[in-house]
Amino acid sequence: KAGVTQTPRYLIKTRGQQVTLSCSPISGHRSVSWYQQTPGQGLQFLFEYFSETQRNKGNFPGRFSGRQFSNSRSEMNVSTLELGDSALYLCASSLAGGQADTQYFGPGTRLTVL
Amino acid sequence: AQSVAQPEDQVNVAEGNPLTVKCTYSVSGNPYLFWYVQYPNRGLQFLLKYITGDNLVKGSYGFEAEFNKSQTSFHLKKPSALVSDSALYFCAVRDWRNAGKSTFGDGTTLTVKP
Repeated sequence: KAGVTQTPRYLIKTRGQQVTLSCSPISGHRSVSWYQQTPGQGLQFLFEYFSETQRNKGNFPGRFSGRQFSNSRSEMNVSTLELGDSALYLCASSLAGGQADTQYFGPGTRLTVL
Repeated sequence: AQSVAQPEDQVNVAEGNPLTVKCTYSVSGNPYLFWYVQYPNRGLQFLLKYITGDNLVKGSYGFEAEFNKSQTSFHLKKPSALVSDSALYFCAVRDWRNAGKSTFGDGTTLTVKP
């Protein structure tokens, strides 16, 4: 099976712009979670989608949003970018998002905000 | 709230020696515990998980982990380290109340010297 794919792999934006990141889960997986990884804060949970519905949300401002499509692909959007949004954004998919389900991670999108 | 602690930022071992990367957790109810490895500029790779049953869990690449309920620990081990094991290791815990959310430790950098 193909793994989790994320596009683009690298992005450079300037402050105030917005950005959309894409994630394609493993075939058959219906849960997609997003994480932000930074040297200072480590891995922080953004949100989780299952069957096109957001089921869980982390402690991030409303500038961070996401959605999931009927084929389980997911996008996340960050509006009004700030320097502190520079990070590696990781997407993870699992069968149903249950506590015993293994999350499989994509390679990430490296976002740099100038 | 669920939490994970990895008390060592760095672990250094010689090739061929056994290695241990430590993890302690806090969670309400039964713990669901995971270990991941991250290589530079890559996403997280799943190594192993504990759900229930045997306290010694075997995973990928010769890694195993020992679950200890009384000490709330889930240490990662390998009998004989390889230089190629050098990477960043994350312990994670899942909670039945938080769909799709893993809470990660801060990570431990493992360096295996030839």
